[in-house]
Amino acid sequence: DAGVTQSPTHLIKTRGQQVTLRCSPKSGHDTVSWYQQALGQGPQFIFQYYEEEERQRGNFPDRFSGHQFPNYSSELNVNALLLGDSALYLCASSLGTGNYEQYFGPGTRLTVT
Amino acid sequence: AQSVSQHNHHVILSEAASLELGCNYSYGGTVNLFWYVQYPGQHLQLLLKYFSGDPLVKGIKGFEAEFIKSKFSFNLRKPSVQWSDTAEYFCAVTMYSSASKIIFGSGTRLSIRP
Repeated sequence: DAGVTQSPTHLIKTRGQQVTLRCSPKSGHDTVSWYQQALGQGPQFIFQYYEEEERQRGNFPDRFSGHQFPNYSSELNVNALLLGDSALYLCASSLGTGNYEQYFGPGTRLTVT
Repeated sequence: AQSVSQHNHHVILSEAASLELGCNYSYGGTVNLFWYVQYPGQHLQLLLKYFSGDPLVKGIKGFEAEFIKSKFSFNLRKPSVQWSDTAEYFCAVTMYSSASKIIFGSGTRLSIRP
């Protein structure tokens, strides 16, 4: 039973660039949520995708956008990168919205220089 | 804004000591409460959860937590810790009005001396 997978593992970008992170949900799950975890902090909710639509969003600017594909996998895009975007980006999957058990992936470590 | 507070940033214990990690949340409505654990080099994993019913919930690896509604608290406990419990522990909450959005505390790093 495949768990949540994310790619790439690590990424280094320059300020102003754009980045795309990818996530494949756990087998049987149809909902993907994205979180940002800064060093020494707990994860912060970015948004959630279900049925290829953004269903809920946290307090993140429009530079953060996403997409969900028919196979339930998802992408997180961040435009005009800032130094403060350096963090671990976590993907979590669940079955349906409002399902409280979210399974987390290993994360993508993004460093912006 | 809704928030979760974990008062202990770093806790150091010897093996066999008892553990209690504090967690408080700020929201007056119906909540679901969680403790997640992140072992070194591993994913975030669900340790235990409270949805309703008995306020004393038991999780994996001998952990338990008690929901005290009047105190807005959900403290994590373990009677006797092991070296393998060394990890980062996160308290988290979802609100009935926004069930998909998990709000995490800042985490408590637990170090166990063998």
